[in-house]
Amino acid sequence: QSVLTQPPSVSGAPGRRVTISCTGSSSNIGAPYDVHWYQQVPGTAPKLLIYRNSNRPSGVPDRFSGSKSGTSASLAITGLQADDDGYYYCQSYDNSLGSAIFGGGTKLTVL
Amino acid sequence: QVQLQESGPGLVKPSQTLSLTCTVSGGSISSGGYYWSWIRQPAGKGLEWIGRIHNSGSTNYMASLRSRVAMSIYTSKNQVSLNLRSVTAADTAVYYCARMVVGAEYWYFDLWGRGTLVTVSS
Repeated sequence: QSVLTQPPSVSGAPGRRVTISCTGSSSNIGAPYDVHWYQQVPGTAPKLLIYRNSNRPSGVPDRFSGSKSGTSASLAITGLQADDDGYYYCQSYDNSLGSAIFGGGTKLTVL
Repeated sequence: QVQLQESGPGLVKPSQTLSLTCTVSGGSISSGGYYWSWIRQPAGKGLEWIGRIHNSGSTNYMASLRSRVAMSIYTSKNQVSLNLRSVTAADTAVYYCARMVVGAEYWYFDLWGRGTLVTVSS
């Protein structure tokens, strides 16, 4: 069981908006350590999507946005496109474990 | 641009040592103050951080693997290595090398290799 909790799956129609939640605790997100998000298309390596809660690396469309509050964080994707289909992982640091930690991942299906 | 490439045996026998190398190209492994991490992903499962190493040689490992894992850095070769001893089938996974950005309130992975599948089987 992952230290960060994500919903196993979300779905949405093309053009719509979806959000993915990531819930932690006082030893990680609430400590407060920043939250980062990765996109993984099956069969490929994860790709950094959002870093330090709400920042997008160069080349990531502004359809992707992140936020954090208390012990939770969220990833929002607007204007869903077919190639958004894949897995999304949140990640942070946990000071009681002394480790980088990941959520269990959320499968996004674009209907 | 900087790229990472994992290499090593795809099949390891139980109780033996898994050894992988990550070669960094397009930039120096010693520049930028980065750490270098290994992360693994069993088939159909999530991501698990294994550990990190700095070009100073400083390391940190996940607690549950600490007794079996060792990482090294070879700055002249622009490589980092991973050794995992006494492997079992539970260590079967895709192993990724990743560049790690570290600050007071964050650790995150901004560059990833393509990953290499390691199967533990006799």
